[in-house]
Amino acid sequence: AQSVTQLGSHVSVSEGALVLLRCNYSSSVPPYLFWYVQYPNQGLQLLLKYTTGATLVKGINGFEAEFKKSETSFHLTKPSAHMSDAAEYFCAVSDRGYQKVTFGTGTKLQVIP
Amino acid sequence: EAEVAQSPRYKITEKSQAVAFWCDPISGHATLYWYRQILGQGPELLVQFQDESVVDDSQLPKDRFSAERLKGVDSTLKIQPAELGDSAMYLCASSVGGADSVYEQYFGPGTRLTVT
Repeated sequence: AQSVTQLGSHVSVSEGALVLLRCNYSSSVPPYLFWYVQYPNQGLQLLLKYTTGATLVKGINGFEAEFKKSETSFHLTKPSAHMSDAAEYFCAVSDRGYQKVTFGTGTKLQVIP
Repeated sequence: EAEVAQSPRYKITEKSQAVAFWCDPISGHATLYWYRQILGQGPELLVQFQDESVVDDSQLPKDRFSAERLKGVDSTLKIQPAELGDSAMYLCASSVGGADSVYEQYFGPGTRLTVT
């Protein structure tokens, strides 16, 4: 069975500071990994995904994530936080060849002016 | 830009009543998903359709929940009777779909259900 663990349900950063949201996964097969963002009372939007190839993945809005197989991690980073980054972020994992995606419990990012 | 449409956006219903949600995926998307998102948690897959066929409904409480996608386009999720624990956001998503590939899922805005 596949699963993801997001460390920290709430993260606060100052505007302009580094954003680091942690995600560790468990999968019996090489995984596909995703980060989604959700603004209040809205659906989820894909930030980035890892399937194969380069382990450093760049996404929208300046976010990137690095797949580290040895650490079973897929942490999300952004060099400089903006106020508009305040939202909830979900890490997700999918088995290859099957469209079922398992989501983590989410991390709410607060950006302090 | 094409979007996944859901209605209603908000629904308040009393316990034991029936409630239905509607989803219209992006045109041409073969795969449609219904998720339930309880406050403070991540989305949980309820049912997945490939065209009009159910691919996965292992987490759907079939004694009270039903889902259909009769013509392989739009879909309806029904709860009858609703229980207090059903209060949640119900999200619909769609993707181009296909075996042995990972396609981006596009999410609708969701329906916020409150059961009183």
